[in-house]
Amino acid sequence: KAGVTQTPRYLIKTRGQQVTLSCSPISGHRSVSWYQQTPGQGLQFLFEYFSETQRNKGNFPGRFSGRQFSNSRSEMNVSTLELGDSALYLCASSTGTSGAFGNTIYFGEGSWLTVV
Amino acid sequence: GEDVEQSLFLSVREGDSSVINCTYTDSSSTYLYWYKQEPGAGLQLLTYIFSNMDMKQDQRLTVLLNKKDKHLSLRIADTQTGDSAIYFCAGSLRSSYKLIFGSGTRLLVRP
Repeated sequence: KAGVTQTPRYLIKTRGQQVTLSCSPISGHRSVSWYQQTPGQGLQFLFEYFSETQRNKGNFPGRFSGRQFSNSRSEMNVSTLELGDSALYLCASSTGTSGAFGNTIYFGEGSWLTVV
Repeated sequence: GEDVEQSLFLSVREGDSSVINCTYTDSSSTYLYWYKQEPGAGLQLLTYIFSNMDMKQDQRLTVLLNKKDKHLSLRIADTQTGDSAIYFCAGSLRSSYKLIFGSGTRLLVRP
């Protein structure tokens, strides 16, 4: 059974550009969430989707957005990139309607974004 | 809201037991998770426990939960060099749809 797949794994962008990251959850998983990991702030929640609906959003500016498709695949987009957006972006998937509560939550290998 | 705290660093000798500690603040029903992160990799789920349980064991891993003190620990028996990694404790609340992570404990296993 394939795990959570994130693409691309590594990318370098210039300040002011935008980036789109993709996540394919484990087959049958309908909840997808995104996290940002930086040395300074640690792991922070970005947003969570279930059946194409965003159910929760973290404390990030509007430049960060996401969506989920009918096949449960998800994308997140960051517009007008800033140096501080350099981070590891992790996607996680789980099965149940309760999202992170009481379900096994599996993470992908992440997308390493460097903004120069 | 939920807050999760961990000690930053632990060093043990190969073959010894490791105990990684975590405290959480929310007193309502919470699921508590342990993840392992190796360099350059994502998060690997190790185990999880509901806040009304006291203990959970899975092979070399034992999770102990002290509900009164809101203290969670992960014990790794017979620690191996391959266990060297960062270990994250995380909590989730019902209907929050998110995990709140601690800052991570870096475990170094000395040969």
